[in-house]
Amino acid sequence: ILNVEQSPQSLHVQEGDSTNFTCSFPSSNFYALHWYRWETAKSPEALFVMTLNGDEKKKGRISATLNTKEGYSYLYIKGSQPEDSATYLCAFASGTYKYIFGTGTRLKVLA
Amino acid sequence: DAGVIQSPRHEVTEMGQEVTLRCKPISGHNSLFWYRQTMMRGLELLIYFNNNVPIDDSGMPEDRFSAKMPNASFSTLKIQPSEPRDSAVYFCASRPGGGGATDTQYFGPGTRLTVL
Repeated sequence: ILNVEQSPQSLHVQEGDSTNFTCSFPSSNFYALHWYRWETAKSPEALFVMTLNGDEKKKGRISATLNTKEGYSYLYIKGSQPEDSATYLCAFASGTYKYIFGTGTRLKVLA
Repeated sequence: DAGVIQSPRHEVTEMGQEVTLRCKPISGHNSLFWYRQTMMRGLELLIYFNNNVPIDDSGMPEDRFSAKMPNASFSTLKIQPSEPRDSAVYFCASRPGGGGATDTQYFGPGTRLTVL
């Protein structure tokens, strides 16, 4: 059974702090790794699609890295703001349409 | 573009009733996914359509669940009869063609189903 784990489950940080969290996935049958930002009562919104070992993607203050050999991806947020509060979800694609989602990291940024 | 549209947003029904959830994918997208989100199991794939054809329905829990995609702009997920354990948020997502797993999925707002 393929399993995707995210850690921590939740965290609180102060405004201005930088933070990072982890998505662990199987190191075999890798097609792609997706990161989503999911605000309460809304739908998941795509942040990054990562495909190659060593990939680094950046969007504003948010960046992500990928290690397919050891099966992990890190998401970094620099200088957290209250509007960054959301659940950050990763999805491991083990085929052209099979996505296995982690349970997410719930981030709360305190003003 | 309006994004993926789902209706209704909320549905409350009684056990044994038929429930139909609807989805309109983004125009031009040729892949459509139905997911169920629960506290215990997170987001789970129920069924995947490509070019309106069901490709993989192995995630459909049981025969009470059925899904159709009669054309490129409309899909339904039906539960008949509904049971309390079907209570969850059901998401529809669509994806453009060509890139497979590297293409981004776009999610609808979800339908929160409560079966009493």
